[in-house]
Amino acid sequence: AQSVTQLGSHVSVSEGALVLLRCNYSSSVPPYLFWYVQYPNQGLQLLLKYTSAATLVKGINGFEAEFKKSETSFHLTKPSAHMSDAAEYFCAVSEGRGNQFYFGTGTSLTVIP
Amino acid sequence: GAVVSQHPSWVICKSGTSVKIECRSLDFQATTMFWYRQFPKQSLMLMATSNEGSKATYEQGVEKDKFLINHASLTLSTLTVTSAHPEDSSFYICSALGGGKTGELFFGEGSRLTVL
Repeated sequence: AQSVTQLGSHVSVSEGALVLLRCNYSSSVPPYLFWYVQYPNQGLQLLLKYTSAATLVKGINGFEAEFKKSETSFHLTKPSAHMSDAAEYFCAVSEGRGNQFYFGTGTSLTVIP
Repeated sequence: GAVVSQHPSWVICKSGTSVKIECRSLDFQATTMFWYRQFPKQSLMLMATSNEGSKATYEQGVEKDKFLINHASLTLSTLTVTSAHPEDSSFYICSALGGGKTGELFFGEGSRLTVL
């Protein structure tokens, strides 16, 4: 069975500071990992995905994530937070096409001016 | 990327009435779509998996007679909340499984249902 754990349901950073959102997963097979962002009253938008290629994945809006198999982690980072980054972020894991996605509980990011 | 459109974005209805929400894949064919329900400040709860041309697969605890799902074409899935009650008020989100090996999910914009 697969599961996703997002440590920290709320994260606050100052504008311009580093953003670090944590995600750990459990999977019995090599996983596909995803980060999605959700703005209020909207659906989810894909930020980036890991699909067994490069372990450091770059996504949209300056975000990137690194797959660390030994730590079963896929933490999301951005060097410098922008006010527009304030949103809900979800980490998800899948075992591949046609398999169910498992979502973390989400992390709400607040950016302080 | 692929686009999934959901309609309506907002709907208010009276208790006892039925509401239909549409989910369309605009530029790709989606044999599989998923319906989620999201409560405030919470993650997505998978309600059912919708496969084109066959019956939907419902998650445990989801009433199939209350949440009717139809996936009649490769670009359209509908969720009908029948005899809606205030406790059905929620944010409903659909997603469609894209092409390729990884099977990335593309999400609709969500539909906010309020039952009075």
